[in-house]
Amino acid sequence: DTAVSQTPKYLVTQMGNDKSIKCEQNLGHDTMYWYKQDSKKFLKIMFSYNNKELIINETVPNRFSPKSPDKAHLNLHINSLELGDSAVYFCASSQDMTAYYEQYFGPGTRLTVT
Amino acid sequence: AQKVTQAQTEISVVEKEDVTLDCVYETRDTTYYLFWYKQPPSGELVFLIRRNSFDEQNEISGRYSWNFQKSTSSFNFTITASQVVDSAVYFCALSEATDSWGKLQFGAGTQVVVTP
Repeated sequence: DTAVSQTPKYLVTQMGNDKSIKCEQNLGHDTMYWYKQDSKKFLKIMFSYNNKELIINETVPNRFSPKSPDKAHLNLHINSLELGDSAVYFCASSQDMTAYYEQYFGPGTRLTVT
Repeated sequence: AQKVTQAQTEISVVEKEDVTLDCVYETRDTTYYLFWYKQPPSGELVFLIRRNSFDEQNEISGRYSWNFQKSTSSFNFTITASQVVDSAVYFCALSEATDSWGKLQFGAGTQVVVTP
């Protein structure tokens, strides 16, 4: 069983469109995250949720809106896509939001905006 | 400001050679955790090891070992007797106990290329 899954794996779309990425974890973890990996492979946190509550919102444009319907799911909706949004988006989860716990990552979603 | 620095962009070795990856971090917290993650060509991120700021004992796990030195704020990672399957990007990451809510701050990554 996949611990952290994301759909879709690839997403190609045009500028101005709206798209969503879904994430699910079956580890029973309380905390979930979204990270963005740019073309130079640099990873940066975007959001985190703990038990459906937004904890971290790391100066991300408000075109990005995360939603957590329950603690096993964290979705990412992006409005009015721009060329600069092209990246790989990773979902992750950890047991809780203390610094001690390692994070388990999904396979990533490669978003290409044309 | 970048809190985790991985100065090596790419390291190329021949199979069976050892490879050491450097990581230097910056924090004012007294309690923090350091991690190494591996990203193979397939793209997923795989957790390898964690170290806490109170435990400077260096360890070996199979072909992996790590050297944590608070005095120099370094957390280096060594792969012994490298194999082609070790080819990947390796990321060092820092998680601070104070007000970070589990946020991982990553270094830029080091690409390791192991050739047969």
